[in-house]
Amino acid sequence: KNQVEQSPQSLIILEGKNCTLQCNYTVSPFSNLRWYKQDTGRGPVSLTIMTFSENTKSNGRYTATLDADTKQSSLHITASQLSDSASYICVVSTLSGGYQKVTFGTGTKLQVIP
Amino acid sequence: DAGVTQSPTHLIKTRGQHVTLRCSPISGHKSVSWYQQVLGQGPQFIFQYYEKEERGRGNFPDRFSARQFPNYSSELNVNALLLGDSALYLCASSLDLGTTYEQYFGPGTRLTVT
Repeated sequence: KNQVEQSPQSLIILEGKNCTLQCNYTVSPFSNLRWYKQDTGRGPVSLTIMTFSENTKSNGRYTATLDADTKQSSLHITASQLSDSASYICVVSTLSGGYQKVTFGTGTKLQVIP
Repeated sequence: DAGVTQSPTHLIKTRGQHVTLRCSPISGHKSVSWYQQVLGQGPQFIFQYYEKEERGRGNFPDRFSARQFPNYSSELNVNALLLGDSALYLCASSLDLGTTYEQYFGPGTRLTVT
């Protein structure tokens, strides 16, 4: 069964600190992995997208890594801000024979406090 | 340029009724995907359409159906509504079918079934 598991489920950090969120997946065959940020009640917003051949991608204070061999990814947030408080969702996609399947993780709920 | 738009924003239905949700993709985007997000969980993939054809399907019952129109807008239909169908329904558009294309999410339609 294709699964995407994220840890921790929730996290509270002080403003200015760094944090790392984890994503493990069993989805196969693998096409790409995305990290999204989702504010409560709103649609997800893309942070990074990585294909099989990429092992790191940055977007401002967000840096994602991918190890396709161990099927693990991480999202590192540097110098956190209050506006980083949101759910962060890892999404793995496959495209086989022109047919796509998308599997979302359950997300990590991040709270940044002053 | 307008982003992905969805209508209505909120909807209340009773069990057994049917509902139609609408999505307009970003101009020039040919692919539309639908997701269901139950409160506190990550989105679940329902369908993807590309050039008016279904190109991806998640594990949802036949009560769920969708279609894409020549102008690339899309409708999601749910028949015989159940209480468990209460969720945020998200639509996302992308330029093309390949999973490396960026997906842009709309604000969602909040469906409540009573």
